Amino acid sequence: AQKITQTQPGMFVQEKEAVTLDCTYDTSDQSYGLFWYKQPSSGEMIFLIYQGSYDEQNATEGRYSLNFQKARKSANLVISASQLGDSAMYFCAMRDAYSGAGSYQLTFGKGTKLSVIP
Amino acid sequence: DTAVSQTPKYLVTQMGNDKSIKCEQNLGHDTMYWYKQDSKKFLKIMFSYNNKELIINETVPNRFSPKSPDKAHLNLHINSLELGDSAVYFCASSPYLAALGNEQFFGPGTRLTVL
Repeated sequence: AQKITQTQPGMFVQEKEAVTLDCTYDTSDQSYGLFWYKQPSSGEMIFLIYQGSYDEQNATEGRYSLNFQKARKSANLVISASQLGDSAMYFCAMRDAYSGAGSYQLTFGKGTKLSVIP
Repeated sequence: DTAVSQTPKYLVTQMGNDKSIKCEQNLGHDTMYWYKQDSKKFLKIMFSYNNKELIINETVPNRFSPKSPDKAHLNLHINSLELGDSAVYFCASSPYLAALGNEQFFGPGTRLTVL
């Protein structure tokens, strides 16, 4: 069963507008971590934001915030005031005790390609 | 200073060859990883390794083998390359395997093309 689901293969947003990238996850563990990474066309993986399952407040990092709804098992990334440089692939990932190869691995979603329109 | 570096950045080779990709991290991290990103951009863990334990994703063919000469290096050796091995391979590191919140720092990736 897929552990991380990103239902939006591609998204468009107008420059300076906010955009939400969806991510839902599946785990039976009570303790887990959720991550978002950005991959621009140049190919590198850039860490954006982290949310722990026990964190009571939604994580924020500059223009990035994570809308964490634990009961719904969703961890949507919100980018405020989009910039042209935000055009990239965005990956949601989870780390729990039962990921992939043994424990504590990062399991990635299939990604969402965000295009910012001037 | 580059935190996680990989060489080469591009690798083009013939089917059946054996090749290695090198990875080095200067962050003092305990744990290193190899990921494969396929043509559809899907990232999948291949290995994680610290100085005590190698964890292998069971879907990885045994033609792939990680080799770690020391804590700062985790090289990926691939025997008998196949067309389906063409992908981008990312090395990553993190401070401690079992800490959920530890960010993984990724290298720039190596694009492998098998002809």
